Amino acid sequence: GNSVTQMEGPVTLSEEAFLTINCTYTATGYPSLFWYVQYPGEGLQLLLKATKADDKGSNKGFEATYRKETTSFHLEKGSVQVSDSAVYFCALRAGANSKLTFGKGITLSVRP
Amino acid sequence: GAGVSQSPSNKVTEKGKDVELRCDPISGHTALYWYRQRLGQGLEFLIYFQGNSAPDKSGLPSDRFSAERTGESVSTLTIQRTQQEDSAVYLCASSLNSGGQKNEKLFFGSGTQLSVL
Repeated sequence: GNSVTQMEGPVTLSEEAFLTINCTYTATGYPSLFWYVQYPGEGLQLLLKATKADDKGSNKGFEATYRKETTSFHLEKGSVQVSDSAVYFCALRAGANSKLTFGKGITLSVRP
Repeated sequence: GAGVSQSPSNKVTEKGKDVELRCDPISGHTALYWYRQRLGQGLEFLIYFQGNSAPDKSGLPSDRFSAERTGESVSTLTIQRTQQEDSAVYLCASSLNSGGQKNEKLFFGSGTQLSVL
């Protein structure tokens, strides 16, 4: 079946540090890949997405590249801010009428 | 409405009681999902409705859990004979899913915090 594996957390960084959050997936066919974010006290919202191999999704300084050869979709940001503190979820959708499968999520805390 | 609406926002119940959670998706959205988020855990898929197709119930943890959807509107998630391990935030999400596009984003509600005492 389809699955998403995220690195274990939590992650604590200082402001302006470089961020990488690993995500790998298992899926049949060619899934679409997503990163969702949940800020404290808020609902989940889409951060970025990529729909085919070598696509790069980007938003708010975050980037993730769809790597089919390594079945990965790692999230990166060059310089994190305190406001980036949140829970980040990697997700995939394998087909048009299939469910969105999430990873376990990882908590990021950025200290000033 | 402007977004996905869930009610109640908080529900405290006694072990053994039945509860019903409601989700109003964004108007026109054909796809509707229920997820569960236990404290400190990730998102656990429960059930997925897509138009008139048979729902994907593969995530329901036991036969105490059931969900219905009226057409392409309101959905209710029912938990019978609640147990303490049912305590969690229950999230509803909807998407337009027009043209069968698999890259469409989900819009999430704020969730219902269920506490079983």
